[in-house]
Amino acid sequence: QVQLVQSGAEVKKPGASVKVSCKASGYTFTSYFLHWVRQAPGQGLEWMGIINPSGDSTTYAQKFQGRVTMTRDTSTSTVYMELSSLRSEDTAVYYCAREGNPLDYWGQGTLVTVSS
Amino acid sequence: EIVLTQSPGTLSLSPGERATLSCRASQSVSSSYLAWFQHKPGQAPRLLIYGASSRATGIPDRFSGSGSGTDFTLTISRLEPEDFAVYYCQWYGRSPWTFGQGTKVEIK
Repeated sequence: QVQLVQSGAEVKKPGASVKVSCKASGYTFTSYFLHWVRQAPGQGLEWMGIINPSGDSTTYAQKFQGRVTMTRDTSTSTVYMELSSLRSEDTAVYYCAREGNPLDYWGQGTLVTVSS
Repeated sequence: EIVLTQSPGTLSLSPGERATLSCRASQSVSSSYLAWFQHKPGQAPRLLIYGASSRATGIPDRFSGSGSGTDFTLTISRLEPEDFAVYYCQWYGRSPWTFGQGTKVEIK
């Protein structure tokens, strides 16, 4: 069965970077784009960007341009989302999701807390 | 960028009642790329509807979607206890994908 398993919770200081992983299984990794979506406390869902695991191309939401980097490792069927220059407003649950018309499978979420 | 505005912000209903949720786009969009998600605390969002009116795999038929152009609707015909959650519409025609701000369906 399709599974997306994300790395564990992180606590970071303002200005630091965080790298969240999302390991895919149960399907052909390179056949589906993967997205990252976040939800800050008390807020709605926010789309961050997309990566093509086949060609490594990415598209980021303008809000995160220059701060986010999405990469993939086809040998382990894992995608990564790195967010730099963290600030308190980046405290959120970060999800990866498979693009299957449109987002049919999601990871369990990774809580990133930014606090001094 | 397509902005999606959902209404109402909160819907207070009793089990067995009908829920009607609205999603309005800032400009006309193809209904082929309008989805609805259900989100419960501590869980990942769940795809309910794609292409404005097609139910995702395993979604009960009490959930239905409709609409075109700028106005879309998610209807839950008879609320079950497990349906109380936050619902989001999403447009996925092209980057940037966008979500509405959500409608919370709460128990009255």
